[in-house]
Amino acid sequence: NAGVTQTPKFQVLKTGQSMTLQCAQDMNHNSMYWYRQDPGMGLRLIYYSASEGTTDKGEVPNGYNVSRLNKREFSLRLESAAPSQTSVYFCASSAGTGSTKQYFGPGTRLTVT
Amino acid sequence: GQSLEQPSEVTAVEGAIVQINCTYQTSGFYGLSWYQQHDGGAPTFLSYNALDGLEETGRFSSFLSRSDSYGYLLLQELQMKDSASYFCAVPMDSSYKLIFGSGTRLLVRP
Repeated sequence: NAGVTQTPKFQVLKTGQSMTLQCAQDMNHNSMYWYRQDPGMGLRLIYYSASEGTTDKGEVPNGYNVSRLNKREFSLRLESAAPSQTSVYFCASSAGTGSTKQYFGPGTRLTVT
Repeated sequence: GQSLEQPSEVTAVEGAIVQINCTYQTSGFYGLSWYQQHDGGAPTFLSYNALDGLEETGRFSSFLSRSDSYGYLLLQELQMKDSASYFCAVPMDSSYKLIFGSGTRLLVRP
């Protein structure tokens, strides 16, 4: 039981490049989340998926797109990376609406130069 | 809007007790959660309070007062491994999407 996995662990992009961050969970959870964490700050929600086939914007969605591919997988895409998107990105999952216990992946450290 | 406030840093001695406070402003209230994050690691869930009072889980306890929009995390018998950042979080709405505080960095000294 791996929990929540993320790939890649580290990534360096040049401004304007695109990339997709992958996330998968094996806990049969309905809800999945993408957060970013900047140095010395809390986590900010980028996008959220309550269930397969649904997505919703969080606090900071601009510059990102998401896909809930199936119940297990939730990907985050940066179409044209900017230095302001340098951050650590965490994927999380929870059993569903009404559950505040979220399980987090190990994170992806992204640097945009 | 919604916001949470918590101290940025707290220092305590090994074996002591420390309290990390959190005040919140929300348009609706769906409970207060606490998460722990070690440097370079992922956040892990510690506790959740939906009702007023104290919830105890081993060395950690969490308290909520809805009338004061206030909660705290209490860590007893501090160990060096408790050095980490602690975040309070509240759901934005009934979907339970979370808003996190900026975190309290706890340093436990020998």
